[in-house]
Amino acid sequence: DAGITQSPRHKVTETGTPVTLRCHQTENHRYMYWYRQDPGHGLRLIHYSYGVKDTDKGEVSDGYSVSRSKTEDFLLTLESATSSQTSVYFCATRGARGQETQYFGPGTRLLVL
Amino acid sequence: KNEVEQSPQNLTAQEGEFITINCSYSVGISALHWLQQHPGGGIVSLFMLSSGKKKHGRLIATINIQEKHSSLHITASHPRDSAVYICAVNRATGNQFYFGTGTSLTVIP
Repeated sequence: DAGITQSPRHKVTETGTPVTLRCHQTENHRYMYWYRQDPGHGLRLIHYSYGVKDTDKGEVSDGYSVSRSKTEDFLLTLESATSSQTSVYFCATRGARGQETQYFGPGTRLLVL
Repeated sequence: KNEVEQSPQNLTAQEGEFITINCSYSVGISALHWLQQHPGGGIVSLFMLSSGKKKHGRLIATINIQEKHSSLHITASHPRDSAVYICAVNRATGNQFYFGTGTSLTVIP
């Protein structure tokens, strides 16, 4: 399995506070993804990256920003957390185009009160 | 409308039963994936398919590209197979994946 870690694994925060989630990979994979998983919706793409400093929006990007300054790290920031952002967040990676398998991190449970 | 639809949403089986989970998709794809997620756990990839059939132990995955349909079969089901099974596709163009909402499987001893 690809070495993907997420931090923190659990977080409770208050509405209006900024939150940053970190995804770290050791596989030198080019593509990295942030998803949220909510009951009844399955996994939904927030943002993804196709290289250092190269990112693009997914279907649920409002209220989230990302940064990728190094191949191994992909940060997801909630600028001002809202209760609707309570969710489980998964990071995933994929190798070069043609290497289609995604590898998932362990997830981060975020509760916004 | 979801690009990926799975059925059934929930499935309960007796240990030893043969199980089938179905996935239909509406977009052109380069590959289809079956993922497994245990309760409270992470997500692991079981299969990646672009054509035909793959087998791993008691799990078999098939895909019909013309009909845009895939099935995941579990033979001789066991309680440890209890998990959520997720179908996902890579679109033929672009870098994104699309996911079904998952099938929650419970296998009773």
